[in-house]
Amino acid sequence: GESVGLHLPTLSVQEGDNSIINCAYSNSASDYFIWYKQESGKGPQFIIDIRSNMDKRQGQRVTVLLNKTVKHLSLQIAATQPGDSAVYFCAELIMTTDSWGKLQFGAGTQVVVTP
Amino acid sequence: DAGVIQSPRHEVTEMGQEVTLRCKPISGHDYLFWYRQTMMRGLELLIYFNNNVPIDDSGMPEDRFSAKMPNASFSTLKIQPSEPRDSAVYFCASSLYGFASGANVLTFGAGSRLTVL
Repeated sequence: GESVGLHLPTLSVQEGDNSIINCAYSNSASDYFIWYKQESGKGPQFIIDIRSNMDKRQGQRVTVLLNKTVKHLSLQIAATQPGDSAVYFCAELIMTTDSWGKLQFGAGTQVVVTP
Repeated sequence: DAGVIQSPRHEVTEMGQEVTLRCKPISGHDYLFWYRQTMMRGLELLIYFNNNVPIDDSGMPEDRFSAKMPNASFSTLKIQPSEPRDSAVYFCASSLYGFASGANVLTFGAGSRLTVL
């Protein structure tokens, strides 16, 4: 899950297993969410997004689930591989006006894939 | 496309010095964002531009920070004077669409790691 502080929550996963990364978002009015992956020394990279009119969306080896009732988002990675080791961020779009807004990022979860 | 290009990748400077970070967005992207990443505060939006015009600079920490976008292919983030607490990784990102479209996929650069001694 997400937390704020000096140490990122860490998820240790064995290669080949499925990973589930959780995120709690803050604004019940948010209607767009994105998952990003950040490898060491690189910028965040888009993985998958979901609108609030959906509760599930699938990509290649990844699935995002959205539970608006409890303001919870999760990212599932199937058959986790060593290349999946990274920090994963969820981000919610918070609209500041009808046309403008900003992406607010969670604190991130460190995923470590072990052989 | 080479993606979002940032320079320098690493900068070490002394307190009080001026720092200028540079960004070249993806060609055709109308939106440009500057983020700062630290362990304590995570990824924070500093400012973003649409068609070279600053839209929201509410995340800029203080007057020591300024950002410009003189044309569609170049932006700078300047810190003057720099302080040790400014040490962070600064990311530039660009996107094709704005938020009103309902989708906003940011493409990030590799970041500029700033250390202020």
